[in-house]
Amino acid sequence: QVQLVESGGGLVKPGGSLRLSCAASGFTFSDYYMSWIRQAPGKGLEWISYISSSGSSIYYADSLKGRFTISRDNAKNSLYLQMNSLRVEDTAVYYCVGMGLWFGDSWGHGTMVTVSS
Amino acid sequence: QSALTQPASVSGSPGQSITISCTGTSSDVGGYNYVSWYRQHPGKAPKLMVYDVSSRPSGVSNRFSGSKSGNTASLTISGLQAEDEADYYCSSYTSSNTLLFGGGTKLTVL
Repeated sequence: QVQLVESGGGLVKPGGSLRLSCAASGFTFSDYYMSWIRQAPGKGLEWISYISSSGSSIYYADSLKGRFTISRDNAKNSLYLQMNSLRVEDTAVYYCVGMGLWFGDSWGHGTMVTVSS
Repeated sequence: QSALTQPASVSGSPGQSITISCTGTSSDVGGYNYVSWYRQHPGKAPKLMVYDVSSRPSGVSNRFSGSKSGNTASLTISGLQAEDEADYYCSSYTSSNTLLFGGGTKLTVL
């Protein structure tokens, strides 16, 4: 069955960087659009970024553009999120999501990112 | 871009029906048929319940139905069950090629 496993979360100081990874299995990864979506503790869902199946089309939330970069490696069935200049308000659970065009079809369990000094 | 507007909480008794609204603008909810709904139990990942306004994924109960009128989308849950108690989020594609979520609604089954 579809499985998405995030990794790379942890504790980082403000201004630091982190790279999240998502390993996909159980489906043809190269056919799927993918997104990263996050959820701050006790808060709602926030969409971060979206990448097309080939990686040729990429979109970002305006508030995060310039600090976060999404990428994928279809040969490795993997999705990535490079996060730079991290802020305290970036503290959240980060979900890797398989997209059916513009809806989240399959969700990973998430990886926690904590930005704190 | 502001989040879509959802009621903070709704409640209902077992067996009853409830509706959760999701209000946006003509640049998101009203302009496209790309509204989806998610259920999230505490400590768990969200689960897709409805997509493209009114379509249900395989395996989701037909007690869940979606609709849209103008700039407001709605999720109706009929025959409420204890397991339906959760947070519910709507989302919509926007004219800026982004995805916008609602603030979430806590459903309590009395």
